[in-house]
Amino acid sequence: RKEVEQDPGPFNVPEGATVAFNCTYSNSASQSFFWYRQDCRKEPKLLMSVYSSGNEDGRFTAQLNRASQYISLLIRDSKLSDSATYLCVVNVLDDKIIFGKGTRLHILP
Amino acid sequence: EPEVTQTPSHQVTQMGQEVILRCVPISNHLYFYWYRQILGQKVEFLVSFYNNEISEKSEIFDDQFSVERPDGSNFTLKIRSTKLEDSAMYFCASSGSRTGGAYEQYFGPGTRLTVT
Repeated sequence: RKEVEQDPGPFNVPEGATVAFNCTYSNSASQSFFWYRQDCRKEPKLLMSVYSSGNEDGRFTAQLNRASQYISLLIRDSKLSDSATYLCVVNVLDDKIIFGKGTRLHILP
Repeated sequence: EPEVTQTPSHQVTQMGQEVILRCVPISNHLYFYWYRQILGQKVEFLVSFYNNEISEKSEIFDDQFSVERPDGSNFTLKIRSTKLEDSAMYFCASSGSRTGGAYEQYFGPGTRLTVT
């Protein structure tokens, strides 16, 4: 099983729709979880951390299920500017981070 | 807003040559990282650095790689004898604390390394 696994997509979604991404991780000792977004040929940018109780930041909601080793990201009322690749990121040791390959999202006008 | 900076933005070098990639992390951050991303592939962890020493490294980070924090602001990645497969985007990142804690990593814009 890959350390961090994501559906590569692409997800083609009309503007205004809700879209959800999932991510699974293999190491049950993983400590911290994040969602990053990456635009084409740019650096990853932190979108949000994922907390055990779930957390929300505006249109974005992140959930963590430790028992199933599963992380999700929900984007409501999607905008054209949300088009990007969304990276699931897990830290498996204090200073070692594993990135998923990312899920590509295209928001259609 | 403070940001991580990297130089150069693009480096072209011949196989077998040494390259040094430079980064200036966010000034009050304590943890520093290098990653690489081969075109079309995922971001891969190379090394983390804290308190003037390597704290973690991946299997990619072999003897041809080294990191240094030569002064209070710069953080460098040296590749001693470049190979064609070292061609990639190299990202530097910094964080205020270990990612096992609450703090997140902030990435620089990257250096595109092309080995010919």
